[in-house]
Amino acid sequence: QQQVKQSPQSLIVQKGGISIINCAYENTAFDYFPWYQQFPGKGPALLIAIRPDVSEKKEGRFTISFNKSAKQFSLHIMDSQPGDSATYFCAARVRGSARQLTFGSGTQLTVLP
Amino acid sequence: DTEVTQTPKHLVMGMTNKKSLKCEQHMGHRAMYWYKQKAKKPPELMFVYSYEKLSINESVPSRFSPECPNSSLLNLHLHALQPEDSALYLCASSHPSGGLPYGYTFGSGTRLTVV
Repeated sequence: QQQVKQSPQSLIVQKGGISIINCAYENTAFDYFPWYQQFPGKGPALLIAIRPDVSEKKEGRFTISFNKSAKQFSLHIMDSQPGDSATYFCAARVRGSARQLTFGSGTQLTVLP
Repeated sequence: DTEVTQTPKHLVMGMTNKKSLKCEQHMGHRAMYWYKQKAKKPPELMFVYSYEKLSINESVPSRFSPECPNSSLLNLHLHALQPEDSALYLCASSHPSGGLPYGYTFGSGTRLTVV
C-alpha cells in the first residue's frame, strides 16, 4: 500500500514537445506529492510538489496535475528542452511518517534537439 | 545556505578497509537521512535521524554504521563492505514530519566503489 507506480520507464520527446509522466498510488494517507529531477552523478532535486487539496500546480514550464478520486498525478513539461533530459521521480509522503518519502521507479527522459 | 554537502564525491575502497562518508547542512533541518541509490533505480532509505537520534534503520547490515554528532552533521561509517555495496550514497535533510517545507534537500552524493 506504500507503493507509488510510475510510468513510462523511459520517454523520448522532440525539442519543443510536451513530456508527460504519470504516477498512481493506493495509500490514501499520502498528503504530499513531490517530483524530483536527477541528472547523472547528482542527487535528486525537488522540481515541484502538490498537496491533495489542489488539482493543478504550475511553475514555469512544469505542471503537476492531480486527480484525487483516481489516485493519480502527473508531471507535464511544456516546451521540453534538451537540458530537461534527466531522470524524473515522483514521490509521496505519508502524513506524520518518519519514513517520509516513497519514490516511484523513475522515468528517464530524453529530449532530442 | 540551502545546500547539503557530501564528502568525498568519489570513494574507492577495498573490502577490508574502513572509511567514512560525511554530510553537512546548515538549513536548520532537524531530520537527516542516508539513502543508497543503484543505477537507474530510485533512492532506497537506509537511516533516518530525527533531532540527532536514530529513528529509522531500514534493516541495514551492520557494516554500515551511521552517526549524527550534531544537528548539522551526519556520518556513515563503512567497514568490511562487499562489492554489491557499490552505489551512490545520498544524504538528505528536511524539517521533521509535520513541519514545512515538506521537501527534502539532497546532497550530490558519494559514488562508492568497493573492490
